[in-house]
Amino acid sequence: DVKVTQSSRYLVKRTGEKVFLECVQDMDHENMFWYRQDPGLGLRLIYFSYDVKMKEKGDIPEGYSVSREKKERFSLILESASTNQTSMYLCASSLGYGYTFGSGTRLTVV
Amino acid sequence: DQQVKQNSPSLSVQEGRISILNCDYTNSMFDYFLWYKKYPAEGPTFLISISSIKDKNEDGRFTVFLNKSAKHLSLHIVPSQPGDSAVYFCAAFSQGAQKLVFGQGTRLTINP
Repeated sequence: DVKVTQSSRYLVKRTGEKVFLECVQDMDHENMFWYRQDPGLGLRLIYFSYDVKMKEKGDIPEGYSVSREKKERFSLILESASTNQTSMYLCASSLGYGYTFGSGTRLTVV
Repeated sequence: DQQVKQNSPSLSVQEGRISILNCDYTNSMFDYFLWYKKYPAEGPTFLISISSIKDKNEDGRFTVFLNKSAKHLSLHIVPSQPGDSAVYFCAAFSQGAQKLVFGQGTRLTINP
């Protein structure tokens, strides 16, 4: 019973490409988040959204944007991918402090 | 400004013994503290939580202790099993901000 689905498990993109990471949740949660995980740095918040068409910057928003046109879908966009954006990207949705994460997308930018 | 810190990047424990993972925080406004477990190539999964008004919460082999005066929490796993080998993230939540802040993670390895 998958609850938060990230569209790709592994992606390889070239420097300068525009990259879309998709996330869909089926729990009717208001809140959705995008994190990246890097060794030694933990999970760092990129962007979050508390409602449709609403977005807030997290701790490391530079180089990223997001879109939330529907409640269940939250997309992360890398406008022009760079090698320092190679990372594990994790989407989550929540009700209060109860977060559910997707399986993650391992993005490699070459 | 790291509000939640896990100062041990890794920990190795013998199977059957106790594993103790530590976490420190700086913001006294946090309302809940949580531990997540993460296997490679998977998303983090919730393990156990504690309210800021409690000092202990237990769930089977897992116990979380909170020391508010020291701004410190710990996760105890007894007895440790090979399947416990994973990265453990400490996280803190405030009702006002409505978002989790994570520590850097500790990689736990259980040796047979």
